Amino acid sequence: DAKTTQPNSMESNEEEPVHLPCNHSTISGTDYIHWYRQLPSQGPEYVIHGLTSNVNNRMASLAIAEDRKSSTLILHRATLRDAAVYYCILRDSGGSNYKLTFGKGTLLTVNP
Amino acid sequence: EPEVTQTPSHQVTQMGQEVILRCVPISNHLYFYWYRQILGQKVEFLVSFYNNEISEKSEIFDDQFSVERPDGSNFTLKIRSTKLEDSAMYFCASSDWAANTGELFFGEGSRLTVL
Repeated sequence: DAKTTQPNSMESNEEEPVHLPCNHSTISGTDYIHWYRQLPSQGPEYVIHGLTSNVNNRMASLAIAEDRKSSTLILHRATLRDAAVYYCILRDSGGSNYKLTFGKGTLLTVNP
Repeated sequence: EPEVTQTPSHQVTQMGQEVILRCVPISNHLYFYWYRQILGQKVEFLVSFYNNEISEKSEIFDDQFSVERPDGSNFTLKIRSTKLEDSAMYFCASSDWAANTGELFFGEGSRLTVL
């Protein structure tokens, strides 16, 4: 599986934007970039995914670099509920079931 | 909103005992997964299941583990003879599509404590 690199932790203030970076320099042409998050004591939760173009949904935006070697998850206005571990995952396009392989992720702390 | 449900939420067992963790995936989903997370560590893939058979398993998923979908709704993970190191949070997930764009829906997890 192609690997991703994320900062171990980041801090933000409530109601401010948060930019969570992810490097994936070995990404292949068919790998989709997925973001999941895990709130305390809960299972992982899908956030967003993309291939080449920037993506927006109700939870977040995903900005993908032109060379696809990095991406940034953008939370436009962080809330206390957004405090979680955020995982950037390249979806395995070579397997038959496209399992997710989680790394350590970025622990986001949101200050009131 | 449809969700994946898991039972029990917490199970305490003695080493060597058999444990069955149960999951009810989202009803129209076809692909099922078990993951585990040891306290303070990464979420680890255990096994994926499609069309009534295992499609992929990790090296963690040894002969002590088995999965089945006994009645078309439940998806179970059995650990035959639990070890101390099996203590972890076990997450079930399901998806309606295995492609690399498909979203996995995770349950809240079952915490297994082996004494």
